[in-house]
Amino acid sequence: DIQMTQSPSTLSASVGDRVTITCRASQSISTWLAWYQQKPGKAPKLLIYMASSLKSGVPSRFSGSGSGTEFTLTISSLQPDDLATYYCQQYSSYSQTFGQGTKVDIK
Amino acid sequence: EVQLLESGGGLVQPGGSLRLSCVASGFSFSGYGMSWVRQVPGKGLEAVSSISAGSGNIFYAESVKGRFTTSRDNSKNTMSLHLKTLRAEDTALYYCAKAADNTGSAPFYFFDLWGQGTLVTVSS
Repeated sequence: DIQMTQSPSTLSASVGDRVTITCRASQSISTWLAWYQQKPGKAPKLLIYMASSLKSGVPSRFSGSGSGTEFTLTISSLQPDDLATYYCQQYSSYSQTFGQGTKVDIK
Repeated sequence: EVQLLESGGGLVQPGGSLRLSCVASGFSFSGYGMSWVRQVPGKGLEAVSSISAGSGNIFYAESVKGRFTTSRDNSKNTMSLHLKTLRAEDTALYYCAKAADNTGSAPFYFFDLWGQGTLVTVSS
């Protein structure tokens, strides 16, 4: 199975900060990567697919980049509503594995 | 309204069985692959099983292979997950999720619609 590793596991930042989350795959997945946001008590919500394509309706402060084995999710200006856990997911193989998550706190 | 609604969770003893259901509405269910994704409370996400639009391809995580069975009935807009020989480590919130891409261009599924989840607790 392809393993997905996110870093950091938690981060605390102030409103307006630029925030970057990294996701590494154990083998190349081309750009078959999605990012999700999960707020407490809610189901995950798709933010980005194909590594850098923003889902319609998602604020433009979210962006994704990368290919192969290294990917990033960037929030250009952190907002209070962005308090959540963020997951990457590869869909290159049938295992469709997720990263372990990055919890974003607002300072 | 576009939504997925899971049901069937509950408390079951180790070794027991349970059947989960997911009813879809508001989109052309028969045109999309579907998956079950579980989450241990406070922990991460694990894709448990996926089924293609026409049921021709079904995948299982190694952790559940041989114990869980996924099926779908497109005439009833319903997907099911039959859980057998349950273990304590199967305790989780089980989500059904809709594949975002129905063009076949992606190798496997990423998900643009999730249900609210149904909780399975395996305990004596």
